[in-house]
Amino acid sequence: DTAVSQTPKYLVTQMGNDKSIKCEQNLGHDTMYWYKQDSKKFLKIMFSYNNKELIINETVPNRFSPKSPDKAHLNLHINSLELGDSAVYFCASSPGTGSWSGELFFGEGSRLTVL
Amino acid sequence: SQQGEEDPQALSIQEGENATMNCSYKTSINNLQWYRQNSGRGLVHLILIRSNEREKHSGRLRVTLDTSKKSSSLLITASRAADTASYFCATDAYDYKLSFGAGTTVTVRA
Repeated sequence: DTAVSQTPKYLVTQMGNDKSIKCEQNLGHDTMYWYKQDSKKFLKIMFSYNNKELIINETVPNRFSPKSPDKAHLNLHINSLELGDSAVYFCASSPGTGSWSGELFFGEGSRLTVL
Repeated sequence: SQQGEEDPQALSIQEGENATMNCSYKTSINNLQWYRQNSGRGLVHLILIRSNEREKHSGRLRVTLDTSKKSSSLLITASRAADTASYFCATDAYDYKLSFGAGTTVTVRA
């Protein structure tokens, strides 16, 4: 069983469209994250949720809206897609609580291409 | 803002040689972690070193941490073709997240 799974793996869409990426973890972790990896491989945190509560919103445009229906799921919805949103988006989870991050378990990534 | 910065950006070595990469960071940390990313895949955790530790080993991996210089190094001994990947350091600065650098791309030639 995949520990952290995200879908879809590839997403190609036009500017202005709205798209969603889903993430699920079966590790029983309390904390989940979305990271964005750009073309230079730089990995930047976007959001963090702890037990369905938003902990981190790292100056991400409000076109990006995370949703956590339960602690095993963290989805990412993006409105009005722009060319600069093209990147690989990684979901991750960790057993960390409070300010302790612990080891992160990553999904395989969702490559978003905006045309 | 970017916390960890890896050096060098890229490294090419012969199979059997050792690979060393460095990471510098800016603020006080709780722990520092190293991850590997194979092409087209997610990141995989390799090793975690706490701020009160100076050296840690895991198989062919050796990590050092110098908190006075705010730097860490990752040594991979007796490299193999399967070690070809990007390696990232990540810092936990008591701020509810891990902050990553841009990584070191390692190519191991057969």
